[in-house]
Amino acid sequence: DAGVIQSPRHEVTEMGQEVTLRCKPISGHNSLFWYRQTMMRGLELLIYFNNNVPIDDSGMPEDRFSAKMPNASFSTLKIQPSEPRDSAVYFCASSQNRITDSNQPQHFGDGTRLSIL
Amino acid sequence: RKEVEQDPGPFNVPEGATVAFNCTYSNSASQSFFWYRQDCRKEPKLLMSVYSSGNEDGRFTAQLNRASQYISLLIRDSKLSDSATYLCVVRAWGGNEKLTFGTGTRLTIIP
Repeated sequence: DAGVIQSPRHEVTEMGQEVTLRCKPISGHNSLFWYRQTMMRGLELLIYFNNNVPIDDSGMPEDRFSAKMPNASFSTLKIQPSEPRDSAVYFCASSQNRITDSNQPQHFGDGTRLSIL
Repeated sequence: RKEVEQDPGPFNVPEGATVAFNCTYSNSASQSFFWYRQDCRKEPKLLMSVYSSGNEDGRFTAQLNRASQYISLLIRDSKLSDSATYLCVVRAWGGNEKLTFGTGTRLTIIP
């Protein structure tokens, strides 16, 4: 079975440029999560969607970050303009949210390693 | 205070030994608990959920102490393949799927 698919795997760009990260969740999963991981701060939730609707975006650092989920099989995380401090690994994860079972695991993609010069 | 705190390690343990990790969480309303494993330069993967009565999966045993807001993971007969970073993860309450991750405990099994 295909897991969570993220693209690109690596991105190196100059500060000020727009960066778009993409994610395809596991088919049938109704929740999608964007995380950022750095050595200093660990793994932080940026935003999550349920049934394509943003539920909690309290982790989005600032207005330069935006995320969309136009349909159940695709999401983007955009940074505009990018800054060197945005350099990190960005993970997308998906899960099947069931009210009767709060222990559904989140399945992570391979991540996008982003370097802003 | 961080919501989920772990000893970052590193723990360097000889093969075959038993090793235990601890984790504390600050939100008493937390309802679900997990251990995830992350290999170097890879994505986190669910190792096991942690249930109130404690649970075991092969060589791995997880315990939860709600009164002390404390979670533990015990690995018996450690293997070289157990080398990884172990992330303690907490979910606040049933209506919100948000997971809060600890910064992880790094484990290296030495031959």
